[in-house]
Amino acid sequence: DAGITQSPRHKVTETGTPVTLRCHQTENHRYMYWYRQDPGHGLRLIHYSYGVKDTDKGEVSDGYSVSRSKTEDFLLTLESATSSQTSVYFCAISVSSDQPQHFGDGTRLSIL
Amino acid sequence: EDKVVQSPLSLVVHEGDTVTLNCSYEVTNFRSLLWYKQEKKAPTFLFMLTSSGIEKKSGRLSSILDKKELFSILNITATQTGDSAVYLCANPDYKLSFGAGTTVTVRA
Repeated sequence: DAGITQSPRHKVTETGTPVTLRCHQTENHRYMYWYRQDPGHGLRLIHYSYGVKDTDKGEVSDGYSVSRSKTEDFLLTLESATSSQTSVYFCAISVSSDQPQHFGDGTRLSIL
Repeated sequence: EDKVVQSPLSLVVHEGDTVTLNCSYEVTNFRSLLWYKQEKKAPTFLFMLTSSGIEKKSGRLSSILDKKELFSILNITATQTGDSAVYLCANPDYKLSFGAGTTVTVRA
């Protein structure tokens, strides 16, 4: 929905390996966000972007980095994955910071 | 730090019942409050409440905002099994703060 595609949809990997998740949008929205969702914690913001090459940290940014080289793509990288990063990751987009965000379908990441 | 608290954490009702969900917020620079519904996948947007629009309605769902008391209510009337979901409220600042959600289960 809302022209947001997350890839991969599912991934299983081992501790210590690098992982990159991709979010692609076709809406030309300025803002893009990465969240993780865990039982008991709800949705927590990892990083967000307010334009090409413009990013900032969210609530739970440790262990994650992001990059946005094009308006349509926002990448989330786990440099060295840990088991605590097992989660469902959602990408979201919005026209501006005070407008509703629209979410992708999520990536289920398991780190063994 | 901005904070959004939802209650109850979960509830179970029967079809036809009315459900009232609560969201209280403590934000330093209030602009609006959002409600989302999440079923199996991604959250889907329901309502946005702002200073100029403190009540919204869509079919059986409605929401009000009390800026003085810093809370919002989401009502669902004549519930159906398809209303079973997690309902989230959020403050849409740069670092969007979501509440933990209320899980609603509607039994036939």
